Amino acid sequence: TQLLEQSPQFLSIQEGENLTVYCNSSSVFSSLQWYRQEPGEGPVLLVTVVTGGEVKKLKRLTFQFGDARKDSSLHITAAQPGDTGLYLCAGAWGSQGNLIFGKGTKLSVKP
Amino acid sequence: DAGITQSPRYKITETGRQVTLMCHQTWSHSYMFWYRQDLGHGLRLIYYSAAADITDKGEVPDGYVVSRSKTENFPLTLESATRSQTSVYFCASSDRQSGYTFGSGTRLTVV
Repeated sequence: TQLLEQSPQFLSIQEGENLTVYCNSSSVFSSLQWYRQEPGEGPVLLVTVVTGGEVKKLKRLTFQFGDARKDSSLHITAAQPGDTGLYLCAGAWGSQGNLIFGKGTKLSVKP
Repeated sequence: DAGITQSPRYKITETGRQVTLMCHQTWSHSYMFWYRQDLGHGLRLIYYSAAADITDKGEVPDGYVVSRSKTENFPLTLESATRSQTSVYFCASSDRQSGYTFGSGTRLTVV
């Protein structure tokens, strides 16, 4: 069974702080995606990383894929209340490339 | 409007009843998926479909049936609902190039 472990599980910070969320596995993935989910809604894709060592930036969000394609991180600079939500990482594996999801990091940014 | 629509948004049913959750997408994506999301387990794949008339089991298929007679529809049926199937169900579609697009979910309660 493929497993993706996210840490921390919960994170509560003040507006303006920086934070990093981690996604780790013992398995190699062909690609890794990050999603953000708000209460009562489905996850929304933020980014896909494909190449080991790849770094992608989306405004204040920086995503990195590990060199061995087993882990990833999401760094948010100067967090804002609008960043509040559940952040999910998902790895594509197997011949079909289906996604398996981590359990998520619930982020709360207080004004 | 283009998108992926799930219905109903909320459903309460009794143990032993059959219930069908609907999913409709307008992008003509080849792939469609059903996930359930539970506290402590995250998103788990129930069934997926690579094309019309092609379906396959995911991680937790027991007690569920799917069909895909048309590309745009992917209904999920609980043949005889049990309390352990109380969950939030998400349908997703993908063209395999640009990540998954999720519906807004169906919150199912089995009493």
